[in-house]
Amino acid sequence: GDSVTQKEGLVTLTEGLPVMLNCTYQTIYSNAFLFWYVHYLNESPRLLLKSSTDNKRTEHQGFHATLHKSSSSFHLQKSSAQLSDSALYYCALSDRYYNQGKLIFGQGTKLSIKP
Amino acid sequence: EAAVTQSPRNKVAVTGGKVTLSCNQTNNHNNMYWYRQDTGHGLRLIHYSYGAGSTEKGDIPDGYKASRPSQENFSLILELATPSQTSVYFCASGETGEYFGPGTRLLVL
Repeated sequence: GDSVTQKEGLVTLTEGLPVMLNCTYQTIYSNAFLFWYVHYLNESPRLLLKSSTDNKRTEHQGFHATLHKSSSSFHLQKSSAQLSDSALYYCALSDRYYNQGKLIFGQGTKLSIKP
Repeated sequence: EAAVTQSPRNKVAVTGGKVTLSCNQTNNHNNMYWYRQDTGHGLRLIHYSYGAGSTEKGDIPDGYKASRPSQENFSLILELATPSQTSVYFCASGETGEYFGPGTRLLVL
């Protein structure tokens, strides 16, 4: 079945360094939608960015990701980490037409930014 | 901004008791979802719905029931609560559940 893998459970970085959170996925359906959600402590998870277009960079709030269907990856990146980026980040997959809106989440990566 | 509310925000229940978690959304979304969040497991889908009267099983439906009596409301029901159901529960709505509620912390003793 469909699955999403976020290998890093915890990523700790110093402020100002680049961020890269890994996400790979498996699906037999070609029409995959990939999402990144961010979950700040004591808030609701919220959508950060999404994409279904192969090899197209998607950006939002300083973060960016490019869906690469050839490698089934959708890594989240940011050029310079800020303290306020500390949060739990989820990668998620939906095959919109087959699963009709059902999202499959990875296990999440906790990003901790230190001064 | 879509509004999704959940009640209660915190709940302590006893083993074997019945627990109902409620979710309301005011943006006329067809799709609504119930997740639980646990360390090491991330967000896992329990039940979801495509509209009033419909409920579908998610990935971990055992021990849970769902009810969608109207477009706005989607409830999660634990008929016989167990300590393993202690968790944080999130409701979401939207085409793929883009809008999450604030969560309900459930402790089953």
